[in-house]
Amino acid sequence: GAVVSQHPSWVICKSGTSVKIECRSLDFQATTMFWYRQFPKQSLMLMATSNEGSKATYEQGVEKDKFLINHASLTLSTLTVTSAHPEDSSFYICSARGPTKTIAKNIQYFGAGTRLSVL
Amino acid sequence: GENVEQHPSTLSVQEGDSAVIKCTYSDSASNYFPWYKQELGKRPQLIIDIRSNVGEKKDQRIAVTLNKTAKHFSLHITETQPEDSAVYFCAAAPYGQNFVFGPGTRLSVLP
Repeated sequence: GAVVSQHPSWVICKSGTSVKIECRSLDFQATTMFWYRQFPKQSLMLMATSNEGSKATYEQGVEKDKFLINHASLTLSTLTVTSAHPEDSSFYICSARGPTKTIAKNIQYFGAGTRLSVL
Repeated sequence: GENVEQHPSTLSVQEGDSAVIKCTYSDSASNYFPWYKQELGKRPQLIIDIRSNVGEKKDQRIAVTLNKTAKHFSLHITETQPEDSAVYFCAAAPYGQNFVFGPGTRLSVLP
């Protein structure tokens, strides 16, 4: 199946610093990427949907100035947590929609996630 | 918008028994229903999906059933094994649109 790579897998940072997380589709072009946040033992909470070359669409309650999303190419999307604080500590997972013009085009393939710990 | 509920939130079964997880959805426009399995600390992986033009789909020990009229769909795992232990998420969406995930079911298969 399609592969989505996410880096870093784990990051610890000081309060007030910014952290960038990368999400890459390795073997397909993903016109749409998604960013989720997952608290322990909870479901996937969609933060934003990112389409290549256009501004991300943020879900209600998600601060777009705090969680900057860039989708500059068909294979790369980045999430930057700006001025991170301890309450931003969480598991962040990206997802890319499957290859277009294929039977799998509706499938979302997930990255391995990034565990962010803000001290 | 779509709202997906999932039950039970936790499920423990003996190895070899069957496990059933049920989801309900609210948007009659939804016609695509994937199931994802997430092992601890790992990425969610698609295990099976179903579209609304069929009522059942099977893949070895896993099956999914769909009742469009009642707006619910279920995941069935037969002959459970310890490696089936994970969190399972259902989702629903009109085809090509963003998924709405259920809250998840933590399945424990006891040896």
